[in-house]
Amino acid sequence: GENVEQHPSTLSVQEGDSAVIKCTYSDSASNYFPWYKQELGKRPQLIIDIRSNVGEKKDQRIAVTLNKTAKHFSLHITETQPEDSAVYFCAASGTGTASKLTFGTGTRLQVTL
Amino acid sequence: DTGVSQDPRHKITKRGQNVTFRCDPISEHNRLYWYRQTLGQGPEFLTYFQNEAQLEKSRLLSDRFSAERPKGSFSTLEIQRTEQGDSAMYLCASSDLQGARNTIYFGEGSWLTVV
Repeated sequence: GENVEQHPSTLSVQEGDSAVIKCTYSDSASNYFPWYKQELGKRPQLIIDIRSNVGEKKDQRIAVTLNKTAKHFSLHITETQPEDSAVYFCAASGTGTASKLTFGTGTRLQVTL
Repeated sequence: DTGVSQDPRHKITKRGQNVTFRCDPISEHNRLYWYRQTLGQGPEFLTYFQNEAQLEKSRLLSDRFSAERPKGSFSTLEIQRTEQGDSAMYLCASSDLQGARNTIYFGEGSWLTVV
């Protein structure tokens, strides 16, 4: 089955700096890669996703890049703000698994003033 | 769109008791998923339904766990003879097979503590 690894496990940045979180996956058939943000005690919320037919996607301060050859994808947050502090999870799925998501272990992002 | 709702949000039970969680997916979403999440970990897939059919179950889902979606709308997840290792947050999610993006939306989760 799919295996997703995520790094780093914790990340501390100063407000206004950029943050980058990286994930690798094992199943070359995976073709959908969402990122979820989870605040303490809350539901995971989708913040951005990318499909295998594109290499990069951007939404305001958030961007995701995908390298299918290397089987890795990354989340980039620019101009970080204190409200970006949360746990971020990457995930991967393929059409053959009915969009069942396999999650990484999460990155705790702390944005300090 | 009222979102995925789950009930109860918190449950404390004694070891050996049975518990049942309910999930109401986003209206007209035909896929419904159950995940389990423990502290410091990402959600782990348990099972999913397409309409009323349960199409896949994870090996994580022992015989003590059973899920149903009788009318293809809400779903229940029952855990029999609970063990302390069952303590976790149980997340329900839904998606629309017809939608181009097939985005999966999560509920707020049901926290289970087994004492």
